[in-house]
Order: sequence, then structure tokens, then C-alpha cells
Amino acid sequence: DAGVTQSPTHLIKTRGQQVTLRCSPKSGHDTVSWYQQALGQGPQFIFQYYEEEERQRGNFPDRFSGHQFPNYSSELNVNALLLGDSALYLCASSPGRTYNSPLHFGNGTRLTVT
Amino acid sequence: ILNVEQSPQSLHVQEGDSTNFTCSFPSSNFYALHWYRWETAKSPEALFVMTLNGDEKKKGRISATLNTKEGYSYLYIKGSQPEDSATYLCAFSSVDSNYQLIWGAGTKLIIKP
Repeated sequence: DAGVTQSPTHLIKTRGQQVTLRCSPKSGHDTVSWYQQALGQGPQFIFQYYEEEERQRGNFPDRFSGHQFPNYSSELNVNALLLGDSALYLCASSPGRTYNSPLHFGNGTRLTVT
Repeated sequence: ILNVEQSPQSLHVQEGDSTNFTCSFPSSNFYALHWYRWETAKSPEALFVMTLNGDEKKKGRISATLNTKEGYSYLYIKGSQPEDSATYLCAFSSVDSNYQLIWGAGTKLIIKP
């Protein structure tokens, strides 16, 4: 039973560039949430996708956008990268119909913006 | 602005000793409280999801309690083992935005053999 997989594991980009991160949820899960974790802080909620729609969004600018595909996999896109976007990006999946299900996380993508 | 605080920030415990740490969250509009364990080079792993005031949950040597009226949860580890070394994170969701988890910065636990 495959868990949550994220790609790539590491990425180095230059300020102003665009980046796409990918996530495949755990088998049987239809909801994907994206989190940003800066060093020394807890994860910050970016947004959640369910049924190919953004269901809820955290306090992130429009430079952060996402997509969910019919197979429930998801992408996180960040445009016009800033140095402050350097962080670990975590994807988590859960079954969408249950509000209080525990999240299953991938290993994350480490993004470095230079 | 909703805020979740965890204390202490880090903790060194002798192997075999028991320990506990705290998660504080807003007491109004409570929906759920999650606990996760995050070992180095791995992904966060869910320990508990708690929703009812007074709830107590247990998983092996780890247990948690919840007080929604005063806005805190305790995580207890009995007889600490080296494999318990990890960062323990709590996360809160409110009735207003129950799909969004607000996370604490975590308590880093180091077990000394």
C-alpha cells in the first residue's frame, strides 16, 4: 500500500523563477493538503484540494496556486519565487468525507531559492 | 489570529524516565486537536486526533489528554526509549475552518541512553 509520495525531494531555484511540486496521495485518499514549513516553525497551511477544487486556503499570496487531477494527485505551483519561499513543502492526504481523519504526510520537497 | 503554543521547545530525558509536554490552543470554536510525531529524515506520523473535552487517548507508552474549555492538551510518554526521540507537533482546527490545521512549532524530545 503506497503512502504519500512527493517529487522532487530537493530543488534549487533562482529568485523570480517558477516551480511545480508534485504529490500522489495515499491509496484510498481523495483529499490533498499542502503545507509550508520554514526552519524552526510549525507547518503553515497553504490550501486543500478535494474533488479537483480548492476547498480551503490559508494566508498565502496568489503566487501560490494548485491543482488536483482526477486520480487525486496534486501539484503546487509557486510563481515569481522569493528568497522567503525557501522552505520544506509538505503534502498530506486524507479521506475527504471525514473531517477529523489524521493526515498522512509525504517526506516533503526541500525548496531553496537563491 | 489563531495561535498554537507548545512547551517546552526542547527536552532532554534520560532513557527509562517518563515525560510530558504541553500544547495550548484557542479555547473558543474548538473542532479538533491532532498530535503528530516527526522523526528526523521521515515524514510526520499521526498519533492522535481528539475532539471531545476530557478525552484521553493511548497508544502503547504514549497517551494524551484534552481540555477544550481551558485550551490545552498534554502528551505523556511513559518509560522513554531511544526510539521516542523525535519532534512532537500538535495542530488545532476550529469550527470556522475545520479543514485547516494550525500547528505549533513542536517539542523536540531527545532521549539520552
